[in-house]
Amino acid sequence: KNEVEQSPQNLTAQEGEFITINCSYSVGISALHWLQQHPGGGIVSLFMLSSGKKKHGRLIATINIQEKHSSLHITASHPRDSAVYICAVGPGYDKVIFGPGTSLSVIP
Amino acid sequence: EPEVTQTPSHQVTQMGQEVILRCVPISNHLYFYWYRQILGQKVEFLVSFYNNEISEKSEIFDDQFSVERPDGSNFTLKIRSTKLEDSAMYFCASSGPGAGGSGNTIYFGEGSWLTVV
Repeated sequence: KNEVEQSPQNLTAQEGEFITINCSYSVGISALHWLQQHPGGGIVSLFMLSSGKKKHGRLIATINIQEKHSSLHITASHPRDSAVYICAVGPGYDKVIFGPGTSLSVIP
Repeated sequence: EPEVTQTPSHQVTQMGQEVILRCVPISNHLYFYWYRQILGQKVEFLVSFYNNEISEKSEIFDDQFSVERPDGSNFTLKIRSTKLEDSAMYFCASSGPGAGGSGNTIYFGEGSWLTVV
């Protein structure tokens, strides 16, 4: 069993739709990260969470430590949101365990 | 916007050759990392570096790999004798300057594609 799992694996949405990507993990963590990987390969850190909820623009990330589950929400999705979204867990950035990623395609 | 820069962006090397991948982390950061991503697979942690020494390393980071901060700005990953399975995108990242690195945003470079033939 993978230590970090994401669902769905692939997601296609119409522009404007509300999108949810889920992450579940089986290891003890002190931090969970959401990352965005662009089609060219570059990676951008979106959020680091240890509890509760964070919001940045149209992106919202939540975490439930007891249930070992996190969600990334995108409101009013746009084609430029098309990317691979990666959940990663660990004690900070050392020995971070990455999830397999969710490939999102937003169609105009 | 601060950025982490990596060179080369793409390198093709023959099996058995030594490769050095270079990174310039953000200037006031204290924590440095290398990750790799084999094509079609997930990103994997290789090594973290703080205070001029390795702080953590994964099982992937065997004796073939080494890291160095030769001066105040560069952070390098050396692969001593490359194997076909070393072909991957290698990402450098940095964070800080807060203690432990975990409370700070991490910044990734654009990656260096290594192809071993």
